Amino acid sequence: RKEVEQDPGPFNVPEGATVAFNCTYSNSASQSFFWYRQDCRKEPKLLMSVYSSGNEDGRFTAQLNRASQYISLLIRDSKLSDSATYLCVVTQYNQGGKLIFGQGTELSVKP
Amino acid sequence: ETGVTQSPTHLIKTRGQQVTLRCSSQSGHNTVSWYQQALGQGPQFIFQYYREEENGRGNFPPRFSGLQFPNYSSELNVNALELDDSALYLCAPSGRGGGGDGDEQFFGPGTRLTVL
Repeated sequence: RKEVEQDPGPFNVPEGATVAFNCTYSNSASQSFFWYRQDCRKEPKLLMSVYSSGNEDGRFTAQLNRASQYISLLIRDSKLSDSATYLCVVTQYNQGGKLIFGQGTELSVKP
Repeated sequence: ETGVTQSPTHLIKTRGQQVTLRCSSQSGHNTVSWYQQALGQGPQFIFQYYREEENGRGNFPPRFSGLQFPNYSSELNVNALELDDSALYLCAPSGRGGGGDGDEQFFGPGTRLTVL
């Protein structure tokens, strides 16, 4: 079983739609959680950290459920510029900040 | 701007050859991690260097090796290249004076290696 698993993609949505990505992780010792965004042929870039209380950044809302070992990302009012691959990432305690990535979910927002 | 550069940007090699990839970052990044990202996959942790010593390694064979230098630059060396080594190689410097808060890491633009 992979340490971090994400919804298979691609997700094809119209502009203005709300889209949700799900992610599960297998190690209960996971410490920190992030969503990264990766544009085609570019490096991953940090989108947002995910906190236990849930957090929001504009149109983006991230939630963490430690009991279920589940992370989510909600994008409201999708824009064409949101088209990218979204990577779910966790770190584990005492692993020197090693990032463990899911395989990514591709999002395509159409006019 | 992350202040992280990687060279070369693209590289084509043949099976059995050796390759050296480079990463440079601003002063203060005393830790650097390297990742391999195959097409359609998330990045996979190769290893991490802290103050010029290897400080953790992922599931990669010994033909993947690294160096970190006092000027905070680093290298990833891959010997006896195989077709499956074709990937985007990313470095992520971090540490006091650089990187993000907590475990956040910022990546260089990557080197795209193609093995024929």
